[in-house]
Amino acid sequence: ETGVTQTPRHLVMGMTNKKSLKCEQHLGHNAMYWYKQSAKKPLELMFVYNFKEQTENNSVPSRFSPECPNSSHLFLHLHTLQPEDSALYLCASSQDVGGRTGELFFGEGSRLTVL
Amino acid sequence: AQRVTQPEKLLSVFKGAPVELKCNYSYSGSPELFWYVQYSRQRLQLLLRHISRESIKGFTADLNKGETSFHLKKPFAQEEDSAMYYCALNTDKLIFGTGTRLQVFP
Repeated sequence: ETGVTQTPRHLVMGMTNKKSLKCEQHLGHNAMYWYKQSAKKPLELMFVYNFKEQTENNSVPSRFSPECPNSSHLFLHLHTLQPEDSALYLCASSQDVGGRTGELFFGEGSRLTVL
Repeated sequence: AQRVTQPEKLLSVFKGAPVELKCNYSYSGSPELFWYVQYSRQRLQLLLRHISRESIKGFTADLNKGETSFHLKKPFAQEEDSAMYYCALNTDKLIFGTGTRLQVFP
């Protein structure tokens, strides 16, 4: 499969649960991103990875824990979340960080609901 | 501060009418600006970038440094243009605006 793939597409979890979101890209890109998309807010950049190394943590609470084992895979581990963390979590990739062309390729997102 | 502002949450027009989606930015450096689009049930994707000075699907956008704007325009809207449109500023990361929903009625 080509492009950026995210699983699961939908996730419902309680505040005490631990779950993970997965992102995989088959584009040969070096940079991967997690964005949060909430209603009535801009897309919020959460984390940036370049060649598996985290280059940006945009003041994200520690209950969100990213993991990038290689340039093709990115995880977002979730634990003790709050209802206000309910949102669409988008993964994206680009050839390089900042994207010399500014083009990010997005996945379809994982819709998270925290009860 | 680096910021992208899209003042309109919703823009509704009839088919064939001109469209202008507004975008203003705040950035002290030399800006690189983009428009992304998200059609219903599809993923967010790049529409056009200012550096290319291209027209995509009839849309154009001109960077106006004096007014710090990068408005998206199309002379004759089509129903298939209905979507969410996001303006984005590239610094060392992409900063997005809140988006404008364009509805084109038949």
